Amino acid sequence: EVQLLESGGGSVQPGGSLRLSCAASGFTFSSYAMSWVRQAPGKGLEWVSGIHSSGDSKYYADSVKGRFTISRDNSKNTLYLQLNSLRAEDTAAYYCAKRLAAVGPNFDYWGQGTLVTVSS
Amino acid sequence: QSALTQPASVSGSPGQSITISCTGTSSDVGGYNHVSWYQQHPGKAPKLMIYDVTNRPSGVSNRFSGSWSGNTASLTISGLQAEDEADYYCSSYASSNTYVFGTGTKVTVL
Repeated sequence: EVQLLESGGGSVQPGGSLRLSCAASGFTFSSYAMSWVRQAPGKGLEWVSGIHSSGDSKYYADSVKGRFTISRDNSKNTLYLQLNSLRAEDTAAYYCAKRLAAVGPNFDYWGQGTLVTVSS
Repeated sequence: QSALTQPASVSGSPGQSITISCTGTSSDVGGYNHVSWYQQHPGKAPKLMIYDVTNRPSGVSNRFSGSWSGNTASLTISGLQAEDEADYYCSSYASSNTYVFGTGTKVTVL
């Protein structure tokens, strides 16, 4: 059974940092591209960042470019998202998601989400 | 990377069919056949219902179907059931391995 378990969320002041983790199991993690998607309270979904299966290629939404860094450790079956220079508008539930096919926003498995709250 | 445009709400009676539209530009929906649809129940993670415009993942009911014309993609739910009441989001490839989601549509079963 595929499982994605996020952790690392919490409350932080504007300008602060957090590191999110996503522990994967039930599939060959090193064979699949992964992404982070966030959802502000009561709002819609926003794609944040993606990473190739090997970790060599990384992609970001304009809203987080230069502040967030995605990475993965295939030996630990874990995906990460480093959040720096956090702003109030970054407050959201952050989901990690596994991609089904080679190209496209086809995320077939999602974690339960971890909540990040940015507030003074 | 502007959000794709969806109607805020769509409703229908049990057994009816409804269609949700997703309008983008030639830089996203209109430029690639990589549009997906997600269903999200309150407090739950999204569930992939359609990918690459028309494909259904294993286990998704064939009551859900997708189509695409120009800069607009559509999701049709046939034989509407109470369990279909949820929020629905489209998503499209938007070049350079980035993606964009739609604004979301709340489906109500009357």
